[in-house]
Amino acid sequence: DVKVTQSSRYLVKRTGEKVFLECVQDMDHENMFWYRQDPGLGLRLIYFSYDVKMKEKGDIPEGYSVSREKKERFSLILESASTNQTSMYLCASSLSGGRVMGETQYFGPGTRLLVL
Amino acid sequence: KNEVEQSPQNLTAQEGEFITINCSYSVGISALHWLQQHPGGGIVSLFMLSSGKKKHGRLIATINIQEKHSSLHITASHPRDSAVYICAVNSGGYQKVTFGTGTKLQVIP
Repeated sequence: DVKVTQSSRYLVKRTGEKVFLECVQDMDHENMFWYRQDPGLGLRLIYFSYDVKMKEKGDIPEGYSVSREKKERFSLILESASTNQTSMYLCASSLSGGRVMGETQYFGPGTRLLVL
Repeated sequence: KNEVEQSPQNLTAQEGEFITINCSYSVGISALHWLQQHPGGGIVSLFMLSSGKKKHGRLIATINIQEKHSSLHITASHPRDSAVYICAVNSGGYQKVTFGTGTKLQVIP
């Protein structure tokens, strides 16, 4: 079974702090994704990566950056946390690195981030 | 208007009832997904389909490409089916996935 783990389930940070959220997958997947989930809005893509050191912006990249130095690990960085970044953050991965349409994504358990 | 619309937003059912959750989309798609999210956050993929019908246990998913509509059915519902069910579509190429806002299902014993 694919396993996607996230570094924290719950996190409380102060406004202006730099925040690191880490995601690790153990199935050699090429693609990794960071989403945020807010009530009434559904999941929205922040960034995704299709290979080591490769990244593309999703729908809401402002205020975030990402790092993928190793294939199994994809980090989301909030450079200077703000209260409007309080949310549930979900990481996901999928198998193919090519332009494959319609792959199953495997999700981590999520991190609930509260920015005070 | 959202590209992916789900109905109903909330659903309460008695144990044993047949349940239908609907998903309509407005874009051309290559695949449609049904996902399940339990309290606590973790999301599990239930189905991925691009045509016809798929069945897994008590769950059935159908899609009508011409009408841009999909349904998720749960037969003989059980309290452990209580979760948020999310419809998502692949469109626009290269792993772009658009998610519906989810249907919160509660099954009462």
